[in-house]
Amino acid sequence: QSAPTQAASVSGSPGQSITISCTGINTDVGNYGYVSWYQQNPGKAPKLLIYDFINRPSGVSDRFSGSKSEKTASLTISGLQFEDEAHYYCCSYTGNSVVFGGGTKLTVL
Amino acid sequence: QVQLVESGGGVVQPGRSLRVSCAASGFTFSSHAMHWVRQAPGKGLEWVAVISSDGSDKFYANSVKGRFTVSRDNSKNTLYLQMSSLTHEDTAVYFCARQGPYKWMLMPFLDNWGQGDLVTVSS
Repeated sequence: QSAPTQAASVSGSPGQSITISCTGINTDVGNYGYVSWYQQNPGKAPKLLIYDFINRPSGVSDRFSGSKSEKTASLTISGLQFEDEAHYYCCSYTGNSVVFGGGTKLTVL
Repeated sequence: QVQLVESGGGVVQPGRSLRVSCAASGFTFSSHAMHWVRQAPGKGLEWVAVISSDGSDKFYANSVKGRFTVSRDNSKNTLYLQMSSLTHEDTAVYFCARQGPYKWMLMPFLDNWGQGDLVTVSS
C-alpha cells in the first residue's frame, strides 16, 4: 500500500497557473491506474475536484483540470485565486486498498 | 441534498474500543459503497476502509486490519466503524464518505463527505 508522492508545498500568484503532481501511481492492476483529487480547507471536509484522472464533477470550476502521464497524475489550477489556498490530495488504488498522497499545501501569494 | 453526519467520537483509553456511526440522508444509501477516511491532527488524509453497497465486500488499510470492522445497516441508512485495541496513533478526525456512482469501490470517487468526528485515544 505505498502512497503516491506529492510535493509538500507549492505557491503561486493570483492569475497564474500551477500544477501539483502525484507520482508513483500503481498501474500494475490491469495496466490501469485511477486517480481522484481533493481540496481541503482548514477544519473542513475534503471536496472532490477531479475523478478518473481528468473528469470534473458538476459544480467544480473549470479552472481545475487533471491529466495523466504514465505513473504520474497532475492537477492544474489556472487563473489562481486567493480562495484556492488549501491542501490538495491525490488518491489512488493499489488493487486491494485505497491510498492518499501526502498532500500539497498551496499558498497564493 | 446528500448529508452525512458522523457521531460517536470522543475520548477513549488505549486498548479500549469505540464505535463511530455515519447517518446518511438525501440519497439511496443502499446503492452506494461507503468509505471511512481519517486525519490525525496536523496530518494528511489516511484511507481506513470501504464497504460495498450491500455490505458483502470490505477492504481495510493495513494499519487497521484486524482491529477495525466496517459495517452498515441499509434499513437505518447508517454506516459504522467498530474500532478495537485503540492506540494513540488512532487519534484522528474520522470522516465517512460516499463512493460515487458507476465506479468499483476501490476506484476512489469520494463525491460526498461528512464533517468528521474526533476520536482521541488518551489515558
